[in-house]
Amino acid sequence: DSGVTQTPKHLITATGQRVTLRCSPRSGDLSVYWYQQSLDQGLQFLIQYYNGEERAKGNILERFSAQQFPDLHSELNLSSLELGDSALYFCASSGATGGPWAEAFFGQGTRLTVV
Amino acid sequence: AQSVTQLDSHVSVSEGTPVLLRCNYSSSYSPSLFWYVQHPNKGLQLLLKYTSAATLVKGINGFEAEFKKSETSFHLTKPSAHMSDAAEYFCVGKSGGTSYGKLTFGQGTILTVHP
Repeated sequence: DSGVTQTPKHLITATGQRVTLRCSPRSGDLSVYWYQQSLDQGLQFLIQYYNGEERAKGNILERFSAQQFPDLHSELNLSSLELGDSALYFCASSGATGGPWAEAFFGQGTRLTVV
Repeated sequence: AQSVTQLDSHVSVSEGTPVLLRCNYSSSYSPSLFWYVQHPNKGLQLLLKYTSAATLVKGINGFEAEFKKSETSFHLTKPSAHMSDAAEYFCVGKSGGTSYGKLTFGQGTILTVHP
């Protein structure tokens, strides 16, 4: 168990809908990363937050947004869903201590299926 | 900017033979480097990390990696493959020299182990 909790584990929704994925980082970790993993695109970095502030942005679509709350949990919002958004969405967290060698711990992912 | 390149998308070995998964990096900074493993439908698990304390890093399940600055490489090895090693492996770099640096993933290497 990595200590990173993602909910829900599975989500099936229709095209055009909006969903929210939730991530609770390991206790004390200030950094949260979001990744999308699909068969055709591999592991894609979406966005990173550190202590509530956006730190880095990757290939995140405009239909997607995220935020990190004061209690450090994070939510990834996906709207106007398309079939191609079906993927495994991972959250990872990393500690404030350990410096640049602090590893990231990954959740088990949320599998999103858009039908 | 940092980049991480895994030189093989697929590696196939027989059980009991050595494993070599290759990773090259480029970085403006002294890099932080990690190897993660992902078993099917699972999250990513840390195998080992380079912390600059030693160039030869030992990880879990008998894996190790050697950091070679002159070759900008961080190849993952294991003396004897086990069937349970079949998975996808990711070489990851962390940029910025901070605890909240951006993670950069290699493209992944799928390891197949034959009986």
